Amino acid sequence: TQLLEQSPQFLSIQEGENLTVYCNSSSVFSSLQWYRQEPGEGPVLLVTVVTGGEVKKLKRLTFQFGDARKDSSLHITAAQPGDTGLYLCAGARRYTGNQFYFGTGTSLTVIP
Amino acid sequence: EPEVTQTPSHQVTQMGQEVILRCVPISNHLYFYWYRQILGQKVEFLVSFYNNEISEKSEIFDDQFSVERPDGSNFTLKIRSTKLEDSAMYFCASSGGQEGTQYFGPGTRLLVL
Repeated sequence: TQLLEQSPQFLSIQEGENLTVYCNSSSVFSSLQWYRQEPGEGPVLLVTVVTGGEVKKLKRLTFQFGDARKDSSLHITAAQPGDTGLYLCAGARRYTGNQFYFGTGTSLTVIP
Repeated sequence: EPEVTQTPSHQVTQMGQEVILRCVPISNHLYFYWYRQILGQKVEFLVSFYNNEISEKSEIFDDQFSVERPDGSNFTLKIRSTKLEDSAMYFCASSGGQEGTQYFGPGTRLLVL
């Protein structure tokens, strides 16, 4: 059973297009992180969101934490080839320890 | 910028052999973790460590696995008798607080033959 479901699993778009990646769960998380992972490397932190409804922006990337803290989204505006990579969401659940539950990942390819 | 480091980057071993994977967490962090990622699959939690003891472990972390903080800087994962299915990328992570953001190392790619 997947605690965090990401969609879509694969996404291939043209440079300049916008896209949104979703991270959904039926469980409540105390915080949620978005990471980007290159092949053969470790996840690199993009952002942490902790408050329901929180929106954070990182240049062309906009992250939102759902009001109920069960879901999150990552929106990329005007995608560039450098955005190509695997995007992972990971959540921490209060009162169940401090492990992170990782989503299944979204593999993004931006075509020049 | 502080970062988590891991050694070795790659390790090839024979089935049944012991391996030790090493990590140097971010210096002022107090919580340490090991995760693994089998090729093509999602990142899976193995164990968390705080105050010199295991605070949580997953069902993957059986008696073949152990962790240790032998000194003030290193954090190790030992696999006592490796199996073919232990082949994976192993990631170390650290955080400053219990539910704080976890920062990941570059990983050790373990191949068991």
